[in-house]
Amino acid sequence: DTAVSQTPKYLVTQMGNDKSIKCEQNLGHDTMYWYKQDSKKFLKIMFSYNNKELIINETVPNRFSPKSPDKAHLNLHINSLELGDSAVYFCASSRPRTSGRTQYFGPGTRLTVL
Amino acid sequence: KNEVEQSPQNLTAQEGEFITINCSYSVGISALHWLQQHPGGGIVSLFMLSSGKKKHGRLIATINIQEKHSSLHITASHPRDSAVYICAVDQGAQKLVFGQGTRLTINP
Repeated sequence: DTAVSQTPKYLVTQMGNDKSIKCEQNLGHDTMYWYKQDSKKFLKIMFSYNNKELIINETVPNRFSPKSPDKAHLNLHINSLELGDSAVYFCASSRPRTSGRTQYFGPGTRLTVL
Repeated sequence: KNEVEQSPQNLTAQEGEFITINCSYSVGISALHWLQQHPGGGIVSLFMLSSGKKKHGRLIATINIQEKHSSLHITASHPRDSAVYICAVDQGAQKLVFGQGTRLTINP
């Protein structure tokens, strides 16, 4: 009964490939996020969705495309993977779009691009 | 310069010591979060506060909005407290901006 789950946990792939990371939350939250944690452990927001609507879209390359089929899922698809995409990607969720809500994080997906 | 600065970046202490981690920010915020990242990589939210002080077990978080500063304290530290502690500010619409983290190691 994991609150926020991500698959896969590890992803190793070659440059130029296309890959997806899936995220699901069973907390009944309306808002979901994708974060990237780089090799220096610095976290940065990539996207935020509220009720399947894109709310935050930071300066992320177009190769990254989030997809929210319903409010419990927010998947991340990455085209033409590059070496610099290697990082840990965290999904998170929170209650409806109101400032100051606690965010619940998934376990992370470690992406390694060779 | 990052909008959220934490100090120290690394902290090593002996079991039982009182720990303080500081966070300063330079932007307007609606709330401030303290997160804990375990050695295994998982991230857990410890506190969310917009004023005053909150306490949970041996952890205490304070914030001074006028001075744009927050502190996380750990009393009677234990080796299981070893983790990276991350300060994050909510600039509105839940857009979190993160500090670089403080790596805490508590030795037995």
